[in-house]
Amino acid sequence: AAGVIQSPRHLIKEKRETATLKCYPIPRHDTVYWYQQGPGQDPQFLISFYEKMQSDKGSIPDRFSAQQFSDYHSELNMSSLELGDSALYFCASSFWTPLEDTEAFFGQGTRLTVV
Amino acid sequence: AQSVTQPDIHITVSEGASLELRCNYSYGATPYLFWYVQSPGQGLQLLLKYFSGDTLVQGIKGFEAEFKRSQSSFNLRKPSVHWSDAAEYFCAVGEVKAAGNKLTFGGGTRVLVKP
Repeated sequence: AAGVIQSPRHLIKEKRETATLKCYPIPRHDTVYWYQQGPGQDPQFLISFYEKMQSDKGSIPDRFSAQQFSDYHSELNMSSLELGDSALYFCASSFWTPLEDTEAFFGQGTRLTVV
Repeated sequence: AQSVTQPDIHITVSEGASLELRCNYSYGATPYLFWYVQSPGQGLQLLLKYFSGDTLVQGIKGFEAEFKRSQSSFNLRKPSVHWSDAAEYFCAVGEVKAAGNKLTFGGGTRVLVKP
């Protein structure tokens, strides 16, 4: 079965550079979520999109922006990178229904290292 | 605001022994509860979930969890641990929005399995 695809898997950037992370959701999933997991930390919610519109926002720095495109893939853009941005960035997708039984499926993550 | 507490940061268990991981949550309404497992450098894999109904939930890899509303708990159990169960385990509570579930994770419990 198709899963959530994230690219790249690993990324090394220097301070003050920019980075773009991509997420391809499971086919027919209409909702995408981004999470940041720092070293030894639990994943923290950044932002989510439903049908290409931002649906929720968490602790996402102003230096970061994201969007969901017409094909439902999403990109997380990170500018003026700081050492503290080094983390594993997860994308998850789900298909929203009014029913209760929904769950998010996670990608393998993109490991960003800022040097 | 919702929150999740996993009181045990590390647990060491012998192979073949039973395992119980604790999870307590704080949420204003009926929670959607999840357990995820993360192997080193890997993504998050869903073990099981609770939305409603039977409070004892069966998951993959022989895991089960019991929802206890009176104790605000959702503890994860496995009768006999295998070496491959060594990983980090995250409990999460889902917040139901108009579209999709934003997850709030606990701090995680790292499980070490002794031969």
